[in-house]
Amino acid sequence: GAGVSQSPSNKVTEKGKDVELRCDPISGHTALYWYRQSLGQGLEFLIYFQGNSAPDKSGLPSDRFSAERTGGSVSTLTIQRTQQEDSAVYLCASSLEGFGEQPQHFGDGTRLSIL
Amino acid sequence: AQTVTQSQPEMSVQEAETVTLSCTYDTSESNYYLFWYKQPPSRQMILVIRQEAYKQQNATENRFSVNFQKAAKSFSLKISDSQLGDTAMYFCAFMKHYLGNQFYFGTGTSLTVIP
Repeated sequence: GAGVSQSPSNKVTEKGKDVELRCDPISGHTALYWYRQSLGQGLEFLIYFQGNSAPDKSGLPSDRFSAERTGGSVSTLTIQRTQQEDSAVYLCASSLEGFGEQPQHFGDGTRLSIL
Repeated sequence: AQTVTQSQPEMSVQEAETVTLSCTYDTSESNYYLFWYKQPPSRQMILVIRQEAYKQQNATENRFSVNFQKAAKSFSLKISDSQLGDTAMYFCAFMKHYLGNQFYFGTGTSLTVIP
């Protein structure tokens, strides 16, 4: 597609449920990033993929969070046993490769609300 | 660890005037990138300008320019001839160069351009 696509755009779920967020990067972009933006806060870096590989997973907030990327394209961020503090906007971005010279293109985000 | 600090939560400027947004960062890295991102109410993050740490010359993109002071670890954004469309949250961000890319964002400055 023309831009980074994230789905769903909004998700409301009950505490304790699992959720899966999807990111479809720009075609040909090998680098993919996940961020979390809580209300009134900046972006919190979660994880970076180069191809299907995530060199460093230490940014994930807890072991309830996991992410994968298959085929060097679509990525999913999974949150298990959701908690109210997981409520946030989850943003995905992609860039052509992982170099700083190349801009990140952001999706519109998924707004996650945990009841 | 890297940290990015934006000490101005909110700022306003009259249309056509100039405004400067401040950003400081802390790192032990010698090679890195700095960015300013804009997030309008529509939520999508847009890259405004970027600076490679090894370049002494300040980056410029049309009405946007930076004042990069490496020794002081300061990276301010100057917006000249402010326009109503510049109203947005502005985030300063730091990226380590190359492997294990990690981004660190400040908490943002909400800029309002007053007609």
